[in-house]
Amino acid sequence: QKEVEQDPGPLSVPEGAIVSLNCTYSNSAFQYFMWYRQYSRKGPELLMYTYSSGNKEDGRFTAQVDKSSKYISLFIRDSQPSDSATYLCAMSLLNKLTFGTGTQLKVEL
Amino acid sequence: GAVVSQHPSWVICKSGTSVKIECRSLDFQATTMFWYRQFPKQSLMLMATSNEGSKATYEQGVEKDKFLINHASLTLSTLTVTSAHPEDSSFYICSGGAGQASYGYTFGSGTRLTVV
Repeated sequence: QKEVEQDPGPLSVPEGAIVSLNCTYSNSAFQYFMWYRQYSRKGPELLMYTYSSGNKEDGRFTAQVDKSSKYISLFIRDSQPSDSATYLCAMSLLNKLTFGTGTQLKVEL
Repeated sequence: GAVVSQHPSWVICKSGTSVKIECRSLDFQATTMFWYRQFPKQSLMLMATSNEGSKATYEQGVEKDKFLINHASLTLSTLTVTSAHPEDSSFYICSGGAGQASYGYTFGSGTRLTVV
């Protein structure tokens, strides 16, 4: 079993839709939970991080962590074509990151 | 913001040759650099952690004699794939930082290595 599971997609949604991206994990010792966005031929960029169960909002993005279920989500409201990218979840333990496989998202006009 | 410049962005080499990948921190001093590799449709896997001026720490299963990491200055870290074989073909990416939590590190843009 992988430590972090993420559906690779691809996920295609119309512009303006709410997007839900999810990851599950098996290691309850993970300390921080992150979402990165990666455009084609670019390095990942940090979107959001959190360390406790609950919701964290930043503009159109909401990160949700449920430690009891070992489940994290990223919601994107009012999705735009510029949101089309691969979204990677990641978790850290002792300053080392473990990544999901990434979900490829396409927002269509 | 912090920028890590990674070169080359892609490289094709013959089996048995060596390839060097460079990561430079342009506007900050990267005391620590992480090196990852990613196979298609798989997650980024941490290969090694390098700290400026000291030997790299390799993850279990990563051959240190094959993947040579040098971090001789605060702005430059290199990964050399020695005696490359087709199974080394992959996407290699670095991320660098200084003191902050690793999730805040800046990633390079990656290097796609193809060994023929």
